[in-house]
Amino acid sequence: KQEVTQIPAALSVPEGENLVLNCSFTDSAIYNLQWFRQDPGKGLTSLLLIQSSQREQTSGRLNASLDKSSGRSTLYIAASQPGDSATYLCAVSPLASGTYKYIFGTGTRLKVLA
Amino acid sequence: DVKVTQSSRYLVKRTGEKVFLECVQDMDHENMFWYRQDPGLGLRLIYFSYDVKMKEKGDIPEGYSVSREKKERFSLILESASTNQTSMYLCATQQGTDTQYFGPGTRLTVL
Repeated sequence: KQEVTQIPAALSVPEGENLVLNCSFTDSAIYNLQWFRQDPGKGLTSLLLIQSSQREQTSGRLNASLDKSSGRSTLYIAASQPGDSATYLCAVSPLASGTYKYIFGTGTRLKVLA
Repeated sequence: DVKVTQSSRYLVKRTGEKVFLECVQDMDHENMFWYRQDPGLGLRLIYFSYDVKMKEKGDIPEGYSVSREKKERFSLILESASTNQTSMYLCATQQGTDTQYFGPGTRLTVL
């Protein structure tokens, strides 16, 4: 059964720092992997979607990488800002489940200090 | 922009009540999902639907049912609410294998 783990559960960094959030999954047979952002008490916003054939995706200050063979993905945030404070979730879509379903990690709660 | 709306942001119900949570999307997406989110457990899939009147159970369907009579609307029903169904409920939509778009969530408290 696919499991998704995110470490650390929480992280505090000073403004301007570059940082890396980690996501690991147990079964490399996936359609894609997605990173989301969630602000307190709100829904999820998609940040980056990486198909299984891709190695990375970039959007602005965000870069996500995917290494299927090792079951790992990283989300790199450059020059962090207080507005980046949120919970970041990764989710994988397992081949065994079809294309509809995602398995989510429990997230990393990021706080960027001004 | 994709818009996914949920009928209530906050809801308080009593044990045993029948509860309806509604989700409406404006992008003609085929797939719609209901998740619940609990601290330490993350998001867990309750039910999903890939077409009108079509549904499949997710990982935790017990105590819930769903209805999709129109493509844009997906309802989650708690037949007899219990305190362990107190949670944040999130609806999402998806077209094919594209990204999932989430609504703002409904925080349900069952007393």
